[in-house]
Amino acid sequence: AQSVSQHNHHVILSEAASLELGCNYSYGGTVNLFWYVQYPGQHLQLLLKYFSGDPLVKGIKGFEAEFIKSKFSFNLRKPSVQWSDTAEYFCAVNARSGGGADGLTFGKGTHLIIQP
Amino acid sequence: GAVVSQHPSWVICKSGTSVKIECRSLDFQATTMFWYRQFPKQSLMLMATSNEGSKATYEQGVEKDKFLINHASLTLSTLTVTSAHPEDSSFYICSARDYIKGGTDTEAFFGQGTRLTVV
Repeated sequence: AQSVSQHNHHVILSEAASLELGCNYSYGGTVNLFWYVQYPGQHLQLLLKYFSGDPLVKGIKGFEAEFIKSKFSFNLRKPSVQWSDTAEYFCAVNARSGGGADGLTFGKGTHLIIQP
Repeated sequence: GAVVSQHPSWVICKSGTSVKIECRSLDFQATTMFWYRQFPKQSLMLMATSNEGSKATYEQGVEKDKFLINHASLTLSTLTVTSAHPEDSSFYICSARDYIKGGTDTEAFFGQGTRLTVV
């Protein structure tokens, strides 16, 4: 079974600061990787995803993530955060087994607060 | 992107009663849907995988007789919490993938969730 570890549970930054949220996964096979965001009172939205190809993926709202296979990591980055980025961020993986019907395994989430 | 809708958004029920939560894929057919549970300030935990026309697959530790899942059509899966108790109070979220359009490498779309409070 796979597991996901997010290192930062709470992060507080000022506007315009750079952001990096760590995510490591544990699984021996090939995985699909995701970052989701949950704004207060809203449902989960996909920020970005990695299936294959270029390990540096760009998502919505200026976010990007880099898949480093040797480190089993998929860290989320944004060069300059905004107050509207205040939200809960979840890293998730699913095993690329036959059929691809596996559900997602989520990390515990990182609560990001951006101070004006 | 594809739209997944859950109903109701919130529900309050008395202990001992049953509650049904619906999950619909509005603009695509979902052969597989997933049900998650989210405790306050915690992550989502996969409860079960709902397969159209067949029995659901439950994760370890999830009581299948308590959390009944029915996936009768390609656009609807239901989760029924039977004989609900206060400890079942939680946020339940469903998701679905458009395998027909995207194949195995396709993202999951999430419903808005259902807040269940058992009193």
